[in-house]
Amino acid sequence: GEEVAQTPKHLVRGEGQKAKLYCAPIKGHSYVFWYQQVLKNEFKFLISFQNENVFDETGMPKERFSAKCLPNSPCSLEIQATKLEDSAVYFCASRNRGPGQPQHFGDGTRLSIL
Amino acid sequence: AQKITQTQPGMFVQEKEAVTLDCTYDTSDPSYGLFWYKQPSSGEMIFLIYQGSYDQQNATEGRYSLNFQKARKSANLVISASQLGDSAMYFCAMREPNAGNMLTFGGGTRLMVKP
Repeated sequence: GEEVAQTPKHLVRGEGQKAKLYCAPIKGHSYVFWYQQVLKNEFKFLISFQNENVFDETGMPKERFSAKCLPNSPCSLEIQATKLEDSAVYFCASRNRGPGQPQHFGDGTRLSIL
Repeated sequence: AQKITQTQPGMFVQEKEAVTLDCTYDTSDPSYGLFWYKQPSSGEMIFLIYQGSYDQQNATEGRYSLNFQKARKSANLVISASQLGDSAMYFCAMREPNAGNMLTFGGGTRLMVKP
């Protein structure tokens, strides 16, 4: 598609439950990125993919967070044993190859941990 | 040290006037890209404008222009003829190809346009 599609828009989980977020990047874009936005301003990079391969995972809290981008499936971000501090908006972005290509963002998934 | 600094948490501008949103950055990489995004209250992130470190000219996109001063490491966004719909959070971001290609964001500036 022509837009990055993220589902669901909102997700509510009890502390300790699992949360799974999905992202369909723009068709033809080689790179996918996940960011966490807390309190409407601070963005934290989590992980990036080049096609289905992890490109950079330096931002991922690996003990509970995992992500995949498999061929012919939406990308996913999964959080095991959620904590209150995981409450945030999670954005997925994709971009095409080339130095000046911007990242195009989805509308985000608002995750609320109760 | 902060890689991207936006020193103005909030700004007011009168409708139809121009406004400058400040952004300074820190990198030792000679090749980098600078981006501005707009985030309205509805939450989506809208790409506005891009400046490459090797670009000789300042970038312009409609009412948006980027005042790029490489020696001072600043990339200020200028919005001309402000409209009520410009009220939003604005984020400056940097991409360093040799440091993972992700975007590093500033803390944002909330712009409020007064009628």
